[in-house]
Amino acid sequence: DIQMTQSPSTLSASVGDRVTLTCRASQSIGKWLAWYQQKPGKAPKFLIYDASTLENGVPSRFSGSGSGTEFTLTITSLQPDDFATYYCQQYDSDSWTFGQGTKVEVK
Amino acid sequence: QVQLQESGPGLVKPSQTLSLTCTVSGGSITSGDYYWNWIRQSPGKGLEWIGYIYHTGTTSSKPSLKSRVTMSVDTSKNQLSLKLRFVTAADTAVYFCARARRGSGFYPYWGQGTLVTVSS
Repeated sequence: DIQMTQSPSTLSASVGDRVTLTCRASQSIGKWLAWYQQKPGKAPKFLIYDASTLENGVPSRFSGSGSGTEFTLTITSLQPDDFATYYCQQYDSDSWTFGQGTKVEVK
Repeated sequence: QVQLQESGPGLVKPSQTLSLTCTVSGGSITSGDYYWNWIRQSPGKGLEWIGYIYHTGTTSSKPSLKSRVTMSVDTSKNQLSLKLRFVTAADTAVYFCARARRGSGFYPYWGQGTLVTVSS
């Protein structure tokens, strides 16, 4: 399986901050990466696919970039609703795998 | 808007079979445009893709789970099912069903998830 490693595990930030989350793949996955947001007790919410394409309805303060093995999710001007855990997921290989998550918490 | 809803026993004994159903509404499971997936989430292993099934019955599973997993679809009920045999405590997790667009591997739509605990 392709291993996905996210950093940091926890990020403390304040409303209005710009935050950047990183996801690294154990081998090249091209652009085949998605990002999700999850809040406690809820299913993940789909944010971004193909590394940088925003799903319909997702606020434009979210953006994704990267290719190959290194990817980032950036949230410009963090909002109260954005405090959550974020997961990356690769879909390059036929056995799709997720990162372990980055929790964005209130500083 | 498609909706997915998982259901099944919340408690399963070790060595027995976990059986879950996902009922799809707002869209037909026979649409050739989608794969229907099972994903689980446990504190120890995070989010883990279990496998998918296409409406024709074609399946693909995570290699480490393949020998224990059976997936099926009931087109008359617009449902998909998961069976996981010989469960252990390591199979305790929240189980989700999710829809992926054909030719992709990401999940715009998820059920709310159902917790299954493996314990005697």
